Amino acid sequence: DAGVTQSPTHLIKTRGQQVTLRCSPISGHKSVSWYQQVLGQGPQFIFQYYEKEERGRGNFPDRFSARQFPNYSSELNVNALLLGDSALYLCASSPRGDGTEAFFGQGTRLTVV
Amino acid sequence: KQEVTQIPAALSVPEGENLVLNCSFTDSAIYNLQWFRQDPGKGLTSLLLIQSSQREQTSGRLNASLDKSSGRSTLYIAASQPGDSATYLCAVKRYNNNDMRFGAGTRLTVKP
Repeated sequence: DAGVTQSPTHLIKTRGQQVTLRCSPISGHKSVSWYQQVLGQGPQFIFQYYEKEERGRGNFPDRFSARQFPNYSSELNVNALLLGDSALYLCASSPRGDGTEAFFGQGTRLTVV
Repeated sequence: KQEVTQIPAALSVPEGENLVLNCSFTDSAIYNLQWFRQDPGKGLTSLLLIQSSQREQTSGRLNASLDKSSGRSTLYIAASQPGDSATYLCAVKRYNNNDMRFGAGTRLTVKP
């Protein structure tokens, strides 16, 4: 069975641009969470979706948005990119509505120049 | 607000040594605690999940304990190997809260 897949693996964007990151959860998992991991720190929670509804939102600006599709895949959008948005973006899928027992993807490395 | 701290930030040991990694959290009302492994530039691999009602979990050479009252968890690695070199992260999930709160991790190097 495929694990959590994220695309692209690496991305370079310019300040002010917009970016969309994609995540496909493990088959049968209906919950997707997004995390941002800055170098040298632990991941920070951005969003959690379950059954296409937002179940949680972290302390991130409105430039960050996400959605979940009927097939439970998800997109994370970041507008008006800043240098500080450079990070590893991790997607986690879970079979549970509360996001527990999560399995993580390999991440998307975003570099903003 | 839940704060998660991991000490030490980095650890270097010779191969074969047994070692303990520490994780502390400020709010004892947790739902579960999970230990992850992260290789450089990669995603997280789940190692052990301890529910709030449990005291410990074991998988192979790994043993994780949980003491909610003191706000502490430890990850014990027996007979360490160079392949164990990675960053180890603990994450806490609270009741009625859908996010996991992570520590900054302990970077482990096992020298041959």
